[in-house]
Amino acid sequence: AQSVTQLDSHVSVSEGTPVLLRCNYSSSYSPSLFWYVQHPNKGLQLLLKYTSAATLVKGINGFEAEFKKSETSFHLTKPSAHMSDAAEYFCVVGYSGGYQKVTFGTGTKLQVIP
Amino acid sequence: SQTIHQWPATLVQPVGSPLSLECTVEGTSNPNLYWYRQAAGRGLQLLFYSVGIGQISSEVPQNLSASRPQDRQFILSSKKLLLSDSGFYLCAWSVQGKNTEAFFGQGTRLTVV
Repeated sequence: AQSVTQLDSHVSVSEGTPVLLRCNYSSSYSPSLFWYVQHPNKGLQLLLKYTSAATLVKGINGFEAEFKKSETSFHLTKPSAHMSDAAEYFCVVGYSGGYQKVTFGTGTKLQVIP
Repeated sequence: SQTIHQWPATLVQPVGSPLSLECTVEGTSNPNLYWYRQAAGRGLQLLFYSVGIGQISSEVPQNLSASRPQDRQFILSSKKLLLSDSGFYLCAWSVQGKNTEAFFGQGTRLTVV
C-alpha cells in the first residue's frame, strides 16, 4: 500500500523568496517519487523524479527535492521564486509495479506575489 | 522526440449525448496509455490504462469506456453523458517498465450541460 500527503493546499510566496512545497509519503516498497507542475488548463509537466539513486534530485526551472527516508519526505524547493512558477504542483509516489500503480497527491497551488 | 496529442481542448456537451476524446502518441512504440480525470482539490484519478492494443483496465466503475484500436491511439468514450462527467480529462503515456514517469497531454475541459 502507498499514500502521499501534500501538507499544504495553498502556498504564497513573494517573488525572489524561497519556495518550499511539502510532501510526505508512505510505501511498503522502495518508492519512486515524482513532482509535476500544472499550469491552468494545461497538462502536467515532470519537474523531477527520484528512483533510488542520489537523494538530492535536481529538476527543471531551478527546482530540487531531497528524498529523506527517515522522515518519509520528498519536499520540493527552489531558492528564488519567479512569477512564472505560479501553478499547481503534484507529488506522486509509485514503485516498480508500473506507472498505473502510482498515487497522486491532491496538489499544492503556489501563488507568487510580485 | 516523443509527443502526445489530445483533442479537443474544450468541449461542451448536453446531458445524454455521446462522447469521444482522442489521444495519440508519436515517436514511441508500445507505450502504456492512461486516461485521468481531475477534479478540483482532489488530484488526479486514474480512469483507464492500457498496456497494449485492445487491452484496457478500468480503475473506477463509471459511465465511461476506453478503447485502444491502434498501438498509439487511446480513446475515451461515453454513450450517454451525465452531469457528473464534467471535468478535466488528461491522457498520458509512459514507457513500459518500472520507475518510469508519465508524459501528459494538454487536457480536455469537458462541460456537460
